[in-house]
Amino acid sequence: QVQLVESGGGVVQPGRSLRLSCAASGFTFSTYGLHWVRQAPGKGLEWVAVISHDGRNQYYADSVKGRFTISRDNSKNTLYLQINSLRAEDTAVYYCAKGTGFIDSWGQGTLVAVSS
Amino acid sequence: DIVMTQSPDSLAVSLGERATINCGSSQSVLYSSDNKHYLAWYQQKPGQSPKLLIYWASTRESGVPDRFSGSGSGTDFTLTISSLQAEDVAVYYCQQYYSTPFTFGPGTRVDIK
Repeated sequence: QVQLVESGGGVVQPGRSLRLSCAASGFTFSTYGLHWVRQAPGKGLEWVAVISHDGRNQYYADSVKGRFTISRDNSKNTLYLQINSLRAEDTAVYYCAKGTGFIDSWGQGTLVAVSS
Repeated sequence: DIVMTQSPDSLAVSLGERATINCGSSQSVLYSSDNKHYLAWYQQKPGQSPKLLIYWASTRESGVPDRFSGSGSGTDFTLTISSLQAEDVAVYYCQQYYSTPFTFGPGTRVDIK
């Protein structure tokens, strides 16, 4: 079955950078679009970014455009999210998710906590 | 950007009774070329990742109980749980995938009365 396992979260100081990874298995990775979705503590879901199956197209939420970069390595079945200039409001659980439009599978999430 | 709204913020329903959640989009999510509404519903139980329930506004995901149904058109959509079960306690979100940035509604919490 589909498995999406995020890693790379942790406690980070404001202004620093972080790279999240998502290792995928159980499906043909190179044929599906992938998303990052985040959820601040006690809050709702916020869509962050999506990347096409071949990595050629990426789209972002306005709140992260210019600071976040979504990428993928189809040879390693891995999705990435590079987060720069971290802010307190980036504190959230970050979910890796499969789908080009609607999301049919979700990882368990990795917590990013921005704190000095 | 398309703004999604949901109502109510929360509701409490007796076991076996109907629960109805409304979702609105600030513009139509109907794509004329395929006549499909680009609208999905998700369920998130406490401490868990979200789960897909409905896509194309009314297509139930495989394995989702048939007490869950989606309806609506244009900018107004509804998720109905026909007979609430204890395991349905969760927060429910709608999402539009008609255009980027894809956006979620704020969520509706469903509890047992």
